[in-house]
Amino acid sequence: EIVLTQSPDFQSVTPKEKVTITCRASQSIGTTLHWYQQKPGQSPRLLIKFASQSFSGVPSRFSGSGSGTDFTLTINSLEAEDAATYYCHQTDTLPWTFGQGTKLEIK
Amino acid sequence: QVQLVESGGGVVQPGRSLRLSCAASGFTFSRHGMHWVRQAPGKGLEWVAVVWFNGNNKYYADSVKGRFTISRDNSNNTVDLQMNSLRAEDTAVYYCARDIGITMMHSDYWGQGTQVTVSS
Repeated sequence: EIVLTQSPDFQSVTPKEKVTITCRASQSIGTTLHWYQQKPGQSPRLLIKFASQSFSGVPSRFSGSGSGTDFTLTINSLEAEDAATYYCHQTDTLPWTFGQGTKLEIK
Repeated sequence: QVQLVESGGGVVQPGRSLRLSCAASGFTFSRHGMHWVRQAPGKGLEWVAVVWFNGNNKYYADSVKGRFTISRDNSNNTVDLQMNSLRAEDTAVYYCARDIGITMMHSDYWGQGTQVTVSS
């Protein structure tokens, strides 16, 4: 199966800071990589689909890039409400897999 | 708006069965594949199964293959997950999720989840 490795596992950041989360796939997956946000006690919410396409209703400060094996989620000008765990997810090959998650804490 | 409401979770002994259901509304159910994804306590997300729009194609994670069965009823807008021979490691919150397409592209909307606890 395709293993997705996110970096970092945890990050403590201040509001208005720029945040970058990376996701590396164990083999090339084109752009079939998606990003989800999960707040405590809530279900995951789709942020970015196919590596760089913003999902409907997602604030413009969230953006994604990458292809092949290396992907990035960027949050510009972080807000307090962005405290959450972020997951990358590949749908190139069954079984579909998720990264281990990156937890963002707001200072 | 898209709504997915899971039900059927609970506490069950190892080796027993449980059936989860997900009621969908706010979209044309028969035009979307449907998924189940689970999350063990304090852990990450694990894709479990998918059923295509017409119910004819189904795929499973290796960890549940042969024990779990996904099915759908397009007349009632529901998707079910029949879980047999349950194990402690199946303990998780189970989410129902809609696929953006008729088969399996990726999920966009998720329900709030239902808790399954396998314990003696």
